[in-house]
Amino acid sequence: DIVMTQSPDSLAVSLGERATINCKSSQSILYNSNNKNYLAWYQQRPGQPPKLLIYWASIRESGVPDRFSGSGSGTDFTLTISSLQAEDVAVYYCQQYYTTLGFGQGTKVEIK
Amino acid sequence: QVQLVESGGGVVQPGRSLRLSCAASGFTFSSNGMHWVRQAPGKGLEWVAVISNDGSNKYYADSVKGRFTISRDNSKNTLYLQMNSLRAEDTALYYCAKDREMTAYHFDYWGQGTLVTVSS
Repeated sequence: DIVMTQSPDSLAVSLGERATINCKSSQSILYNSNNKNYLAWYQQRPGQPPKLLIYWASIRESGVPDRFSGSGSGTDFTLTISSLQAEDVAVYYCQQYYTTLGFGQGTKVEIK
Repeated sequence: QVQLVESGGGVVQPGRSLRLSCAASGFTFSSNGMHWVRQAPGKGLEWVAVISNDGSNKYYADSVKGRFTISRDNSKNTLYLQMNSLRAEDTALYYCAKDREMTAYHFDYWGQGTLVTVSS
């Protein structure tokens, strides 16, 4: 199975500053025939179900603010929040769907 | 708007069975794959099972294979998870989740979850 490892486990960022979350897969999740990376990002606010932010590694879901962006390819991926807002306090998960579905362990984002 | 409402959770003894349901509305249920994802208390997300839009294909996480069965009734817009031989480690909040496409294997809508506690 592909193992997804996120870093850091938690981070504290000042309001308006950039937050960067990394996700590394144990093998490539780039499917060469369609050149797509099989990776999604979710946000889970306290007491809420997860919410899809990004899919195919970099496509923002409809309605998601443009301060959220996804990048990367192959085995290394990044979720960036360009200007942290109070409502962005949450745990963020990456998920691969290249093979048997799997999630990273989560990264908790807090306000500094 | 899309709504997914899970039910059927509760406290159950190890080795017993439980059936979860997920009532869907606001979209054409028969057009999308559907999933169960669980979250143990204070822990991360674990994918459990997927069923294709017509019910012909089903896949499971190794941790539940042979014990859990996913099914759906497209005439009732309802997804099910039959859980047998339950173990303490199955204790979790169980979410049903809608596949973003027919078989995209990522999830654009989630229910609020139903809590399953396996304890003697």
